[in-house]
Amino acid sequence: DAMVIQNPRYQVTQFGKPVTLSCSQTLNHNVMYWYQQKSSQAPKLLFHYYDKDFNNEADTPDNFQSRRPNTSFCFLDIRSPGLGDAAMYLCATSRVARGSEQYFGPGTRLTVT
Amino acid sequence: KQEVTQIPAALSVPEGENLVLNCSFTDSAIYNLQWFRQDPGKGLTSLLLIQSSQREQTSGRLNASLDKSSGRSTLYIAASQPGDSATYLCAVILDSNYQLIWGAGTKLIIKP
Repeated sequence: DAMVIQNPRYQVTQFGKPVTLSCSQTLNHNVMYWYQQKSSQAPKLLFHYYDKDFNNEADTPDNFQSRRPNTSFCFLDIRSPGLGDAAMYLCATSRVARGSEQYFGPGTRLTVT
Repeated sequence: KQEVTQIPAALSVPEGENLVLNCSFTDSAIYNLQWFRQDPGKGLTSLLLIQSSQREQTSGRLNASLDKSSGRSTLYIAASQPGDSATYLCAVILDSNYQLIWGAGTKLIIKP
């Protein structure tokens, strides 16, 4: 049974056209994370939510925003996608922030044309 | 600054062999270490998590060890199968932080 679900699995958007990626979880975990992963690179943390507390990494571009309307759902909004934003976007959850095992979703592959 | 290194970057072995993947880290003050598997174009699957107080964890044919003092972890795969072909990543969390610090991964190919 899927525990971290991401939709869509593949997303194509045009340069500059806003796009929203979705993540949901059935684990009832407190923390949700968004990562960006480019080809042959390790995942890069964009931000995370501890419950409703939003934590932005210092080098996350302003073009990226996130919303967490409830425990189960988290969204990644890219306001004006550029060609450099084409990547795999991974959502993860953990029970608590520090030291907890992180569980990842299958990812959304974003293509920018 | 914590750095995580995985050697080799790629490994190809015949089916049935036992193999070891290596992960080293520069700061021994880690909270835990996690091993992941990633298939091409897919998300990450958590394989094993070792707390800093533990020496090893086992799951099926996988065994992960941790030596904090030397800054090393190994992932042992017994009786390898073609389905084990994937990229294996290790990541650590520092005592003082929540963020996973990643190695670059080892791409494993098991030849039938």
